[in-house]
Amino acid sequence: QKEVEQNSGPLSVPEGAIASLNCTYSDRVSQSFFWYRQYSGKSPELIMSIYSNGDKEDGRFTAQLNKASQYVSLLIRDSQPSDSATYLCAVNYGFGNEKLTFGTGTRLTIIP
Amino acid sequence: SQTIHQWPATLVQPVGSPLSLECTVEGTSNPNLYWYRQAAGRGLQLLFYSVGIGQISSEVPQNLSASRPQDRQFILSSKKLLLSDSGFYLCAWSVRGTGFNYGYTFGSGTRLTVV
Repeated sequence: QKEVEQNSGPLSVPEGAIASLNCTYSDRVSQSFFWYRQYSGKSPELIMSIYSNGDKEDGRFTAQLNKASQYVSLLIRDSQPSDSATYLCAVNYGFGNEKLTFGTGTRLTIIP
Repeated sequence: SQTIHQWPATLVQPVGSPLSLECTVEGTSNPNLYWYRQAAGRGLQLLFYSVGIGQISSEVPQNLSASRPQDRQFILSSKKLLLSDSGFYLCAWSVRGTGFNYGYTFGSGTRLTVV
């Protein structure tokens, strides 16, 4: 069973601090990794993708991938109240597999 | 640019009634299409996916069916709804056939309550 594990939270972070979200996956044969943000009552929105080991930065967001340890993380710098949402980790298992497996999400609350 | 439309936004249906949810994609051709369900407080469960017209793969046995009558149209149906069919239904699309997954784009979702 290919799985994606996330801490469900809630994770509370003061405004202006760094929020760190983590995700582990069970299959070494994975090539694409994604972070989605989902506001309450809304559909998920893709915010980051990462395909190779290391860090990828986009504005206040940094995705980190470590394939040897099978984890992917998302850092949010200078957290804002508008970052309060559930963050979903998604993994594409295997080459050519066009389905994503999602974690259950981590609920993040930014405290003003 | 590509857009994905999903309707209706909310739906309240009695047990035993039929269901039809529609999803269309604009601005792209030959997309992969997906139907997901998200139960309250739960993760995303893949229900169906399609790589082409008339090609449907079902991920879990259930009371639902899907059809793809046109390249950019994906329909989720049921003949008789159950209480357990309540949830947030999401349609998504992705680029097909590159051997590499660039992620999905989701529609705005349909919140279905079966009463």
